[in-house]
Amino acid sequence: QVLLVQSGAEMKKPGASVKVSCKASGYRFTTYYIYWVRQAPGQGLEWMGIINPTDGRTTYAQKFQDRVTMTRDTSSSTVSMELRSLRSEDTAIYYCARDFGAALDYWGQGTLVTVSS
Amino acid sequence: QSALTQPASVSGSPGQSITISCTGTSSDIGAYNLVSWYQQHPGKAPKLMIYDVADRPSGVSNRFSGSKSGNTASLTISGLQPEDEASYHCFSYTSAGPWVFGGGTKLTVL
Repeated sequence: QVLLVQSGAEMKKPGASVKVSCKASGYRFTTYYIYWVRQAPGQGLEWMGIINPTDGRTTYAQKFQDRVTMTRDTSSSTVSMELRSLRSEDTAIYYCARDFGAALDYWGQGTLVTVSS
Repeated sequence: QSALTQPASVSGSPGQSITISCTGTSSDIGAYNLVSWYQQHPGKAPKLMIYDVADRPSGVSNRFSGSKSGNTASLTISGLQPEDEASYHCFSYTSAGPWVFGGGTKLTVL
C-alpha cells in the first residue's frame, strides 16, 4: 500500500532552520509529484510547494520562495523540505502529500515543528 | 495569492444535506476544473474526498458530491452522519499561485 512516512517532531529557536523528510513506499517514487502543505494551530491548510521526484524541479509558493528548499533522493525514495530563518509564525504541522493529477491523494502523518525561544 | 473563501462553519442534523461553498476568482476556480476537497478530523491528516470538481476517489461514499458554477465550487454532503463532523478544505489550481487552499469550514452534525 502507498505510504508516506515523515520524520519526527522538531523544536527550533527563531532564526534556525528545520528539515523535514518524507519517505515514500508502495509505488514507483518517480511517477508522482510530491506537495508540501502546512497547517498552523487552529488554522487552515497552506500550500508551500511541489517537487518533481524525477528531476528534482520545484515550484514554491511566493510566500516561501526565499526561505524554502525542497529536494529528493531517488535512492531512498525520500523527499525533504528545509525551511530557514524560522519565526514563531512557522509553528505548524507540516505535511507531504502525493499528487494525483492536481489533487493530493495520499498524505504523510504530519510533522509538528515548534518555533520558540 | 489570497486563499479561497469558505464559510467558517456550517451545521446540519443527521439525515439532512448541507453544502459548503468555496469562492475564488476567474484566475482559479473560474478558469480550471482542478478543484479538490479534503475532509480532516481533529488530529488527523486530510483525506481526499473530491477531485477535478466532481469526481470521487475509490472508497469515498457517494453521499459526497462536488460541483462548480462560475468562480464558486461546492461540496454537498447528503444524508449527514455523525462521522461527517470534521473540517473541510477546498483546493484549486490558480494561474497566480499555482495552488491555493480555502480557509477551511468546520461542519457540525447537530
